[in-house]
Amino acid sequence: GQQLNQSPQSMFIQEGEDVSMNCTSSSIFNTWLWYKQDPGEGPVLLIALYKAGELTSNGRLTAQFGITRKDSFLNISASIPSDVGIYFCAGSILNTGNQFYFGTGTSLTVIP
Amino acid sequence: SQTIHQWPATLVQPVGSPLSLECTVEGTSNPNLYWYRQAAGRGLQLLFYSVGIGQISSEVPQNLSASRPQDRQFILSSKKLLLSDSGFYLCAWRAGRRDTDTQYFGPGTRLTVL
Repeated sequence: GQQLNQSPQSMFIQEGEDVSMNCTSSSIFNTWLWYKQDPGEGPVLLIALYKAGELTSNGRLTAQFGITRKDSFLNISASIPSDVGIYFCAGSILNTGNQFYFGTGTSLTVIP
Repeated sequence: SQTIHQWPATLVQPVGSPLSLECTVEGTSNPNLYWYRQAAGRGLQLLFYSVGIGQISSEVPQNLSASRPQDRQFILSSKKLLLSDSGFYLCAWRAGRRDTDTQYFGPGTRLTVL
């Protein structure tokens, strides 16, 4: 199946720092989604992107749909302790099936 | 608004016992439904998806099966559980068209096979 490379695998940052993570694929995607998962819970949708170059914000979170349509980025500004969790990217390819492909996740730890 | 439910929330079962996990969606009709398994808090493995009643596609051959008896109900089953079936099981539904395509997850079921 389609592989999404998500990096970094884990991050340990100080409270107040900014965070960046990204996903790359070998295929062109028409949709990129970013999720956050807290321990023992289902992933929660943070941001959805549908057009190349699109930049969308959700509070302190900003995500971008790469111009090549093969990558996406998520930035978190001024991190706080509740940002701790695992962040997943997901993408879908137009007219090629019914599934989203998921990255392996970025584990974020915020040190107070 | 749409809501997705899963139960039970947690389950501890002995090896060789049967399994039935249920997922229901409210507030939408004819959704695409999905079962994922997540091990050790990372990596979502797609198990099954369904585009309609009675229509099941399997992504991974294993001792699990899925059924969709009603439009908004998706069931994951096993006749005999293995130790390797332990994990966090997530149900999801897909909504929207090309410019609004999204997928929403349920709260999950933690399965421990002993």
